[in-house]
Amino acid sequence: GAVVSQHPSRVICKSGTSVKIECRSLDFQATTMFWYRQFPKQSLMLMATSNEGSKATYEQGVEKDKFLINHASLTLSTLTVTSAHPEDSSFYICSARRGRGGEKLFFGSGTQLSVL
Amino acid sequence: QKEVEQNSGPLSVPEGAIASLNCTYSDRVSQSFFWYRQYSGKSPELIMSIYSNGDKEDGRFTAQLNKASQYVSLLIRDSQPSDSATYLCAVDRGAGSYQLTFGKGTKLSVIP
Repeated sequence: GAVVSQHPSRVICKSGTSVKIECRSLDFQATTMFWYRQFPKQSLMLMATSNEGSKATYEQGVEKDKFLINHASLTLSTLTVTSAHPEDSSFYICSARRGRGGEKLFFGSGTQLSVL
Repeated sequence: QKEVEQNSGPLSVPEGAIASLNCTYSDRVSQSFFWYRQYSGKSPELIMSIYSNGDKEDGRFTAQLNKASQYVSLLIRDSQPSDSATYLCAVDRGAGSYQLTFGKGTKLSVIP
């Protein structure tokens, strides 16, 4: 199947710093990329949807100025958590939608963010 | 608010038995339904997708969909210890958007 690379897999940072997470589709062009967040023992919650070259669409309750999404190419989307606080500690997962072929949606391996 | 409900479990079954996982959803316009398997600290892995009422079988897995009852299930036959994981039910918001609403997941333990 298609591969979506996400890194870093784990990051620990101090409160107030910014963290960038990258999501790359390695062998297909992703028409759309999605960012999810998962707190312990909770479901994955969609944060935002991004299409290449346009502004991301954020879900209700997700601060767009805090979670900056850049989708500059068909193979790369980045999520920057700005001025991170301990309550932002979570598992962040990207997914990418392939335009053609059978299976359409592929997930990255996730990033565990811990803010001290 | 569109919701997807699952029994959180844990669901324990002996090795070789059938595991039955259930899911209900609130949005009647949903057309695409997915079952994912997630190991702790890992990203979800697609097990099955189903779009039409009825059963869909793939190896040891069978997905069942009943749109009238807004109910989707996953049966795992001949359960193996390696099937022990959290199973997530996901529903597409509609029109093939692939914006998925996930349930909280059911933790399955297969006892050797």
